[in-house]
Amino acid sequence: AQTVTQSQPEMSVQEAETVTLSCTYDTSESNYYLFWYKQPPSRQMILVIRQEAYKQQNATENRFSVNFQKAAKSFSLKISDSQLGDTAMYFCAEEAYSGAGSYQLTFGKGTKLSVIP
Amino acid sequence: DAGVTQSPTHLIKTRGQQVTLRCSPKSGHDTVSWYQQALGQGPQFIFQYYEEEERQRGNFPDRFSGHQFPNYSSELNVNALLLGDSALYLCASSALWGGDKDTQYFGPGTRLTVL
Repeated sequence: AQTVTQSQPEMSVQEAETVTLSCTYDTSESNYYLFWYKQPPSRQMILVIRQEAYKQQNATENRFSVNFQKAAKSFSLKISDSQLGDTAMYFCAEEAYSGAGSYQLTFGKGTKLSVIP
Repeated sequence: DAGVTQSPTHLIKTRGQQVTLRCSPKSGHDTVSWYQQALGQGPQFIFQYYEEEERQRGNFPDRFSGHQFPNYSSELNVNALLLGDSALYLCASSALWGGDKDTQYFGPGTRLTVL
């Protein structure tokens, strides 16, 4: 079974500063994806960034980038130039195949990020 | 291009009742997954549908059942509601092919309250 751990329940950052959210995971699968999702108070789960496990290059999406350390099973999210709209719950998730073409997301418990003006 | 839609937005039921939640996937997606998110927790996988069949199921009792229609939309049914079923129910859709294959996109959720 997959497990995802986010060790920081809450974090805060000053507007325009950089913040890093941590995530570790445990899987026996060789083919999997890793994701960061953002859930603002509106509760819509929004995809932030995706990383394919077989790719060594870290994914980037504008102000968002990841540090993917496969051997250490670590997948942290860096947010640069933080904006007030980044205030939200951030969930790390792993997606692995489980036979017959099926797959599911396993989520961590989330990190609540507050961006301070 | 419409994203994932869910209905209703909110629902209040009493213990023992039955409920049906609905989901329409993003255009071009053929796979629908359902998740339950309790307050303050990460979402938990309920099941996934593809080609109108349940392909995988999480650790949820048989009171939770689903269906996928030929147009790829899906329903989640919960029978004999318990207080503990109160949660946000999220639907996610994905596709096996394309640039964002296997990436799940979520709807806005249905907030279910069981009294």
